[in-house]
Amino acid sequence: QVQLVQSGGEVKKPGATVKVSCKASGYILNNYGIDWVRQAPGQGLEWMGGISAFNGNTNYAQKFQDRVTMTTDTSTGMVSMELRSLRSDDTAVYYCARGVVVVPGVILDFWGQGTLVTVSS
Amino acid sequence: DIQLTQSPSTLSASVGDRVTITCRASQSITYWLAWYQQKPGKAPKLLIYKASTLENGVPPRFSGSGSGTEFTLAISSLQPDDFATYYCQQYKTYPLTFGGGTKVEIK
Repeated sequence: QVQLVQSGGEVKKPGATVKVSCKASGYILNNYGIDWVRQAPGQGLEWMGGISAFNGNTNYAQKFQDRVTMTTDTSTGMVSMELRSLRSDDTAVYYCARGVVVVPGVILDFWGQGTLVTVSS
Repeated sequence: DIQLTQSPSTLSASVGDRVTITCRASQSITYWLAWYQQKPGKAPKLLIYKASTLENGVPPRFSGSGSGTEFTLAISSLQPDDFATYYCQQYKTYPLTFGGGTKVEIK
């Protein structure tokens, strides 16, 4: 069955970098993308961007363009999201989700369990 | 960016009630809209896509309708498992955007 298993929670200081990983299994990775969505405490969902497992092409939200990098290793099924120059308002649960291309966009049909990233001095 | 506005933000209802949630887009998104359900401490779950297509395994008491800028998620007979927060998401253009959420709570 489709599974997305994320790495554990992180505590970081302002200005630091965090890398969250997502291990995909149970499906042909190349046929889908992986998108990242975050949720600040008590708040709604915010799309950060996505990566194609087929060719590694990325599509980042403009808000994160300068600070985020998403990578994929299809040989291991591992997808990672790195966020730099962390601020306190980056404190959130970060989710990876399988992206199904349904032109013109993407729907997210399976989700990881979430990774809490806390940014605090 | 396309803004999605959900209403109400909170809805109090009883088991067996029919409930509807509205999602309005700041511009036409044709029918490129999905709905998700999220329970506390859990990841969202895809319910509906293309405005009205039920995801596999989703009970038929859930239905979606609408096109253009106005969309509705309906639950025909609310069950205990349905108390959760619901989000709409547009995929007409990037960036993908979500509505602010509607919390369905027990009356």
